[in-house]
Amino acid sequence: DIQMTQSPSSLSASVGDRVTITCQASQDMSNFLNWYQHKPGKAPTLLIYDTSKLKEGVPSRFSGSRSGTDFTFTISSLQPEDIATYYCQQYDDLPITFGQGTRLEMK
Amino acid sequence: QVQVVESGGGVVQPGKSLRLSCAASGFSFSTSNMHWVRQAPGEGLEWLAVISFDGRTEYYADSVKGRFTISRDNSKEMLYIQVNSLRTEDTATYFCARESGRHFDSWGQGTPVTVSS
Repeated sequence: DIQMTQSPSSLSASVGDRVTITCQASQDMSNFLNWYQHKPGKAPTLLIYDTSKLKEGVPSRFSGSRSGTDFTFTISSLQPEDIATYYCQQYDDLPITFGQGTRLEMK
Repeated sequence: QVQVVESGGGVVQPGKSLRLSCAASGFSFSTSNMHWVRQAPGEGLEWLAVISFDGRTEYYADSVKGRFTISRDNSKEMLYIQVNSLRTEDTATYFCARESGRHFDSWGQGTPVTVSS
């Protein structure tokens, strides 16, 4: 199984800050790495798929990249509506695995 | 628009069974692989199972293999998961999700299941 180690587990930032979250895969994998936003009581929503592709309609302040087995999710300028928990997900192989999640809070 | 809506959750005693449902609309259900994911209170997302578009192939997380069964009825555009021998650690909100490529592009809001005596 591919394990995804996500960090940090929580993060406090201010409006306008650049925010970075990382997921490290336990082994080499393809680019089938996705990022989701989840707000309490709501459906999770897809933001980035296939490492760096922005889902249609998602603001361009969200982006994704990769270096080896390290995958990075970035919010270039944090907005109040971005407060949520973020998860990476690998779908390179079954079983699908998620990172542990990053809870983003406003400072 | 693309929509999936879960139902069937509730409070159930340990050892009992439950069938959760997911109603799909706004997309070609019969050509979409579908998944179940859960989130225990205070925990992260846990993938549970996938069923192929035609219902012929299923795959489960080790944590639920043998106790959970995913199924679908394409004529009704419904996805199901039968959860048997429920344990307190199965307490969670259960989500269904549509697969598009190698990602989930549509999720429901979930249905909560509480396992308690």
